[in-house]
Amino acid sequence: GDSVTQMEGPVTLSEEAFLTINCTYTATGYPSLFWYVQYPGEGLQLLLKATKADDKGSNKGFEATYRKETTSFHLEKGSVQVSDSAVYFCALSANQGGKLIFGQGTELSVKP
Amino acid sequence: DTEVTQTPKHLVMGMTNKKSLKCEQHMGHRAMYWYKQKAKKPPELMFVYSYEKLSINESVPSRFSPECPNSSLLNLHLHALQPEDSALYLCASSLSGNTIYFGEGSWLTVV
Repeated sequence: GDSVTQMEGPVTLSEEAFLTINCTYTATGYPSLFWYVQYPGEGLQLLLKATKADDKGSNKGFEATYRKETTSFHLEKGSVQVSDSAVYFCALSANQGGKLIFGQGTELSVKP
Repeated sequence: DTEVTQTPKHLVMGMTNKKSLKCEQHMGHRAMYWYKQKAKKPPELMFVYSYEKLSINESVPSRFSPECPNSSLLNLHLHALQPEDSALYLCASSLSGNTIYFGEGSWLTVV
């Protein structure tokens, strides 16, 4: 079945460091890919998405490119801030009734 | 505006109580969802409504009873819950089942 694998956390970075959170997926067909962010005590917010191969999603300085050849959707940001501290979830949707398949989540902590 | 509104934000209930969680969206979305999330784990799908009809029930115990009164509203009725049901309950919606937008969640504690 479809699945998503994320790098394990927690990830601790200093402010202004470069961020990469790895995400790979297994899916039959052509899924859409998403990154969601969950700040402490809050719900999930859609951070960015890509719906087909080679699409790049971007938002708030974060980027991820849909790589079909490597089945990956790695999240990157050039310079993280303390306010980026959160849990990040990679997910895919194969449009099977709108079911999202989530990775296990990666907790990011950014220190001043 | 991609807004899904959930009430209450926090709920404490006893194991014999009956309570309800409410969810509302005015984006014209035709699919609505309930997810359950334990601390620092990914959300787990509970129910999906499509065009106001229940389309997916992920084998959820009957003490959780969903209801979709109209295309904008989704309720989750709770009865005889167990302490292990304490979690964050997330409502979500989507236009076509592809991009799903979540609410802020309702924090449920069962005592």
